Amino acid sequence: AQKITQTQPGMFVQEKEAVTLDCTYDTSDPSYGLFWYKQPSSGEMIFLIYQGSYDQQNATEGRYSLNFQKARKSANLVISASQLGDSAMYFCAPVGTALIFGKGTTLSVSS
Amino acid sequence: ETGVTQTPRHLVMGMTNKKSLKCEQHLGHNAMYWYKQSAKKPLELMFVYNFKEQTENNSVPSRFSPECPNSSHLFLHLHTLQPEDSALYLCASSPPIEGNEQFFGPGTRLTVL
Repeated sequence: AQKITQTQPGMFVQEKEAVTLDCTYDTSDPSYGLFWYKQPSSGEMIFLIYQGSYDQQNATEGRYSLNFQKARKSANLVISASQLGDSAMYFCAPVGTALIFGKGTTLSVSS
Repeated sequence: ETGVTQTPRHLVMGMTNKKSLKCEQHLGHNAMYWYKQSAKKPLELMFVYNFKEQTENNSVPSRFSPECPNSSHLFLHLHTLQPEDSALYLCASSPPIEGNEQFFGPGTRLTVL
């Protein structure tokens, strides 16, 4: 079974700055993938970005990108040009039949 | 909007009540999930249904009873709950192939008095 570790309970950033949210994983599978989800205070989970272990390039999706370091088993989420609306909890989860989420990181963006 | 709806959005119930949570999706997905999110705890998977068949029960107490009458609807029947069952209950759906992202509903915030 895969294990996800998110070591940052909370992160604080100012508007327009970039922020990196950490995620490390532990798996013995040669082929795997990772999702990042955002959960605003309203509670819904919003899919952000996906990275496959065999993808040649780091995933990008608008202001979201992944710093994927396979050898270090890390898939950190980078949010560029933070906005107030980015304030939320962020979860990393390995791809599987069902999602096993990490503890999440609370991001607070201030003006 | 993800295409997954949940009702009610908020529910307050006593320990002797019986209530049901409803989840609905018309995305053509065949896999549906119930998750529980308690305060200060990671999101926990409760149940998985694939093509209306339950494929996973993550050691959930019997006071939670899921039902999946068709691929578009998923229910969670609640009876004799405990205050510690107060949480956000999230429903999700996905295509049946492993590896597809899940689409989540807005959740039902449950309070058990």
